[in-house]
Amino acid sequence: EDQVTQSPEALRLQEGESSSLNCSYTVSGLRGLFWYRQDPGKGPEFLFTLYSAGEEKEKERLKATLTKKESFLHITAPKPEDSATYLCAAEFGNEKLTFGTGTRLTIIP
Amino acid sequence: DSGVTQTPKHLITATGQRVTLRCSPRSGDLSVYWYQQSLDQGLQFLIQYYNGEERAKGNILERFSAQQFPDLHSELNLSSLELGDSALYFCASSVAPSASYNEQFFGPGTRLTVL
Repeated sequence: EDQVTQSPEALRLQEGESSSLNCSYTVSGLRGLFWYRQDPGKGPEFLFTLYSAGEEKEKERLKATLTKKESFLHITAPKPEDSATYLCAAEFGNEKLTFGTGTRLTIIP
Repeated sequence: DSGVTQTPKHLITATGQRVTLRCSPRSGDLSVYWYQQSLDQGLQFLIQYYNGEERAKGNILERFSAQQFPDLHSELNLSSLELGDSALYFCASSVAPSASYNEQFFGPGTRLTVL
């Protein structure tokens, strides 16, 4: 069964302390890897799509990268407003997004 | 604001009842997706419609059904409700039919509580 696993489940960082979130997936015809941000009580907000190993995308303090087995979301010098749950999702050729359970990120001022 | 609207925002009902959740996609989007998010299961894909036709199906229970109307809004019908159906239900929309090559824009969700 195609699966998406995110780690860690939760991460607390000091403001300005850079780190990375991990999303690993079963290798079974990945066609797209998506990152979303979700604030409490709200719908997920699209961040990035990655399609091939080696691809990187950046947006403000966030950079997403993709290898053959996993994706990383790097957060550089985070601010408190970056606190949220970050979800990754993969599409394995079945036209359905399979979501991980997310990493709950807290940035402490 | 993603441009996707969902009503109602909250819904409280009893076991055995039937409810209808409504979604209006972003202007110009033809695809509508429904997801269920519960604390223990995460975000689970239920079903997708594209321009009025069912396109992809996930782990949607037989008690649940959906449709997309000519004006492209969609409704998710949940019947014979059980306590375990309590969850956040999200609708998302995208321009084209493929889940691979189109970002999905999510609505604010409907929180369903079954008592």
